[in-house]
Amino acid sequence: ETGVTQSPTHLIKTRGQQVTLRCSSQSGHNTVSWYQQALGQGPQFIFQYYREEENGRGNFPPRFSGLQFPNYSSELNVNALELDDSALYLCASSSGTGGGSSLVQYFGPGTRLTVT
Amino acid sequence: GIQVEQSPPDLILQEGANSTLRCNFSDSVNNLQWFHQNPWGQLINLFYIPSGTKQNGRLSATTVATERYSLLYISSSQTTDSGVYFCGRIAGNKLTFGGGTRVLVKP
Repeated sequence: ETGVTQSPTHLIKTRGQQVTLRCSSQSGHNTVSWYQQALGQGPQFIFQYYREEENGRGNFPPRFSGLQFPNYSSELNVNALELDDSALYLCASSSGTGGGSSLVQYFGPGTRLTVT
Repeated sequence: GIQVEQSPPDLILQEGANSTLRCNFSDSVNNLQWFHQNPWGQLINLFYIPSGTKQNGRLSATTVATERYSLLYISSSQTTDSGVYFCGRIAGNKLTFGGGTRVLVKP
């Protein structure tokens, strides 16, 4: 158990709808990263939040957006869902951005999103 | 961008066998993690190993940063070792993952 939690565990949405996924970071961690993992592939970086500010973004369109709250929990929002958005969404927390072991990321169990 | 390649892509082992998984990088390695993804999708941290060798039970890992690769050793494999093994290079604010090695340990 990493102490990182995600909700919901599974979700089914229709194309064009919007979805919000939630993540609670491990105690003492102020950095949250989100990843998308399509079936049979490695996770792909979506973005990272550090102290409530976006701190880097991967190659994802603007309809993928996020928030981080003062308690360092985070949300991932996806608008105008497409069939290709069907994937496992993973959240990871780390204790900082300063380098070394503070960069080590601990993952939650994921949210499996199906878009029909 | 940074390329991370893992080999072999698939591995079938008889219970009790040993194996070596490899991770190659296109750029220098100074922060590396190994993970095991279980059938439910949970990514479990195995090692944070920027350089040198670490051991944890039947698993050990070695990173040779100057030659841009890392190895994960599984000894006396068990059926519970089945799953997908990922290496990931930490650069700045993100992990860049390889494509994974899918391991099946047969009883």
